[in-house]
Amino acid sequence: QSALTQPRSVSGSPGQSVTISCTGTSSDVGGYNYVSWYQHHPGEAPKLMIYDVSKRPSGVPDRFSGSKSGNTASLTISGLQTEDEADYYCCSYAGRYTGVFGTGTKVTVL
Amino acid sequence: QLQLQESGPGLVKPSETLSLTCTISGGSINSGDYYWGWIRQPPGKGLEWIGSIHYSGSTYDNPSLKSRVTISIDTSKNQFSLKLTSVTAADTAVYYCARHLIVATITWHWYFDLWGRGTLVTVSS
Repeated sequence: QSALTQPRSVSGSPGQSVTISCTGTSSDVGGYNYVSWYQHHPGEAPKLMIYDVSKRPSGVPDRFSGSKSGNTASLTISGLQTEDEADYYCCSYAGRYTGVFGTGTKVTVL
Repeated sequence: QLQLQESGPGLVKPSETLSLTCTISGGSINSGDYYWGWIRQPPGKGLEWIGSIHYSGSTYDNPSLKSRVTISIDTSKNQFSLKLTSVTAADTAVYYCARHLIVATITWHWYFDLWGRGTLVTVSS
């Protein structure tokens, strides 16, 4: 069970859009619609941003959106804001009551 | 507002057992739909799911750690715990507890919707 692959870092200016990819296999991302995304400011509790590929929990701005195509899931942040600077992790169900996280992506707001 | 708080020793010797507890406040651990999970993050690395437990005692574990992991629950104290045996330096990490939704009624999910702030455990002699 290998970690899902994410880019190490992405960056954008305030107001721009950035997209983070999360690549797995047909045994995890590609096989189930149970991908979630987490925002993590170091020293704080991680926060759920997207679940079930594209659903947003109450209180999460609609600037955050999720999608999936084949074995790759994506998180898009539109209208980037300074407070969006954080680490982001994807997570997928991997069958047989197990799950796997991504390698993590640092988002920098220029 | 439900909150989770990890507690336990910050330093464990190699070959010994790491023991952590997660205390839930502002809500009950006896929630029919939710599991309660442990996730860790080694320094400079990504997150790794360790395992999760339901108040009924049902557990699911990461196969890569399964033989060393025991997760238990104490509903009277609103707590659940992690024991990881035979630790090495590779087990040095920030350990998080989280609420884990797997199945709600008949609908499947797999996400962690509330997390603690984490506690650093260092394995060193």
